[in-house]
Amino acid sequence: NAGVTQTPKFQVLKTGQSMTLQCAQDMNHEYMSWYRQDPGMGLRLIHYSVGAGITDQGEVPNGYNVSRSTTEDFPLRLLSAAPSQTSVYFCASSYAESVGGYTFGSGTRLTVV
Amino acid sequence: GQQVMQIPQYQHVQEGEDFTTYCNSSTTLSNIQWYKQRPGGHPVFLIQLVKSGEVKKQKRLTFQFGEAKKNSSLHITATQTTDVGTYFCAGWVDFNKFYFGSGTKLNVKP
Repeated sequence: NAGVTQTPKFQVLKTGQSMTLQCAQDMNHEYMSWYRQDPGMGLRLIHYSVGAGITDQGEVPNGYNVSRSTTEDFPLRLLSAAPSQTSVYFCASSYAESVGGYTFGSGTRLTVV
Repeated sequence: GQQVMQIPQYQHVQEGEDFTTYCNSSTTLSNIQWYKQRPGGHPVFLIQLVKSGEVKKQKRLTFQFGEAKKNSSLHITATQTTDVGTYFCAGWVDFNKFYFGSGTKLNVKP
């Protein structure tokens, strides 16, 4: 049982480049979310999804896009990378709001130069 | 702004001392969850509290959910070096949005 798989683990981008962070889960979880973690800022919600075909914005959505075409996959797209997007990105999934907790992927450490 | 506040930001203790972190929300939470993140790792789910005034224990860890369901605490008795990490509370704020507190980083000196 793989849980939540994130790729890549590390990435360096140049300012202005675009890329997609991949996230896949094999637990049939409906809820999936993307967070970014910066020193002293905790985990901030970027985008989330409550099921295939449904996505919505979190507290820091600017510069990011998401889609949820299947229950398993929830990719995060950086449209035009900026140094302010240097961070550690975590994808997480949960069965439902009141059932258990979120399972996190191992994270992607992104540096934008 | 931050929907779920957590204090203190850092805590340094001697091994064997107790540790407490506090979590406060500006709105009533349907439930609250606690996570632990080891240095260089990812957050790991510890526990969920649902009922007003609920208290749960996991070995040396005691979790409480406030009567008004707006605050919570995590208390560790007799800390060990294996307790090192950052502890986050998290809750469902607004509809379907799951927010994390800013975390309390615990360092335990042997």
